[in-house]
Amino acid sequence: GIQVEQSPPDLILQEGANSTLRCNFSDSVNNLQWFHQNPWGQLINLFYIPSGTKQNGRLSATTVATERYSLLYISSSQTTDSGVYFCAVEGGGSYIPTFGRGTSLIVHP
Amino acid sequence: DAGVTQSPTHLIKTRGQQVTLRCSPKSGHDTVSWYQQALGQGPQFIFQYYEEEERQRGNFPDRFSGHQFPNYSSELNVNALLLGDSALYLCASRRQGVGEQYFGPGTRLTVT
Repeated sequence: GIQVEQSPPDLILQEGANSTLRCNFSDSVNNLQWFHQNPWGQLINLFYIPSGTKQNGRLSATTVATERYSLLYISSSQTTDSGVYFCAVEGGGSYIPTFGRGTSLIVHP
Repeated sequence: DAGVTQSPTHLIKTRGQQVTLRCSPKSGHDTVSWYQQALGQGPQFIFQYYEEEERQRGNFPDRFSGHQFPNYSSELNVNALLLGDSALYLCASRRQGVGEQYFGPGTRLTVT
């Protein structure tokens, strides 16, 4: 099946800093989603982005399917951005979503 | 617009027992998937139900089974519980097996 790798595994920022999270995948992509998991375990949808670029407030995402990666940008980070960020990819002829291991983000005030 | 709901929120069971978790999909969705998330890991796909049938299955033993009802809600059953089954169980829904998935708040299962 498709392999999904996220980097960095951990990220610590001061409030106001910018960051880039990366998701690499090993095969052609059908669907790709970015999620934020809050401390209570709820997965919150950030972007549905199998290709192209999208923006939502301080967050934006880009998927370059031909080069098999996606990036999540967080600008002017806030303490409420803390949590784990996952990308989930369906690809390689399968519609079974494969999650990466996540990036754990801590934003200090 | 009701989102995905799951019950119960928390559950404690003993090794060898059986457990049933429940999920109601987001309004307008007909496909339900179940995931297991161990501590510090990403969610792992268990199986997907569409039109009351299991359509796809991940690498989980037959102790894990499910059901989908005519109203699209779903149950996950786990028999002969092991300590390693302790995890957060997440349900997700989507429309016709494709497109964006939405997740419920999860059920945290502890096996002692």
